[in-house]
Amino acid sequence: GDSVTQMEGPVTLSEEAFLTINCTYTATGYPSLFWYVQYPGEGLQLLLKATKADDKGSNKGFEATYRKETTSFHLEKGSVQVSDSAVYFCALSDYIGTYKYIFGTGTRLKVLA
Amino acid sequence: EAGVAQSPRYKIIEKRQSVAFWCNPISGHATLYWYQQILGQGPKLLIQFQNNGVVDDSQLPKDRFSAERLKGVDSTLKIQPAKLEDSAVYLCASRPGTRLGTQYFGPGTRLLVL
Repeated sequence: GDSVTQMEGPVTLSEEAFLTINCTYTATGYPSLFWYVQYPGEGLQLLLKATKADDKGSNKGFEATYRKETTSFHLEKGSVQVSDSAVYFCALSDYIGTYKYIFGTGTRLKVLA
Repeated sequence: EAGVAQSPRYKIIEKRQSVAFWCNPISGHATLYWYQQILGQGPKLLIQFQNNGVVDDSQLPKDRFSAERLKGVDSTLKIQPAKLEDSAVYLCASRPGTRLGTQYFGPGTRLLVL
């Protein structure tokens, strides 16, 4: 079945450092890919998405490119801020009779001033 | 545009008690999801509605969990009786019916079972 694997955390970085959080997936169809962010005590917020191969999603300085050949959707940001500290979830949406979402286990990011 | 609303935000109960959560999705969204998120894990789908019909409840513990979506809008999720392992955040999400529609989440209800 479909699955999402993302790197384990926590990831601890200094402010202005470069961020990469790896995400790979397996899917039977042609999924859409997502990154969601969860701040403490809150629900998940959509950060960015890509709906087909080679699409690049971007938002708030974060980027991720849908790589079909490597089945990956790695999240990157050139310069992180303390306010980026949160848990990041990679997810896919695939049509299996209806639109189903599969989430990774989440990667906690801590950015130090 | 108003987001997905959930209530209550927090609930503490004792084991064997019952509890109910409410969700109001984004207006016009045909699909509604209930997820359980245990601390340190990703969301796990409990049940998915398309309008007011259930399309997937394969991971819902039906001996204690039930859910309904009246008139294809609001939804309630109930646990009766609760167990200690039900302590989690219960997330509601909704999505329009279009192919490229995006799922949006509510703030969640944090349940603690003592």
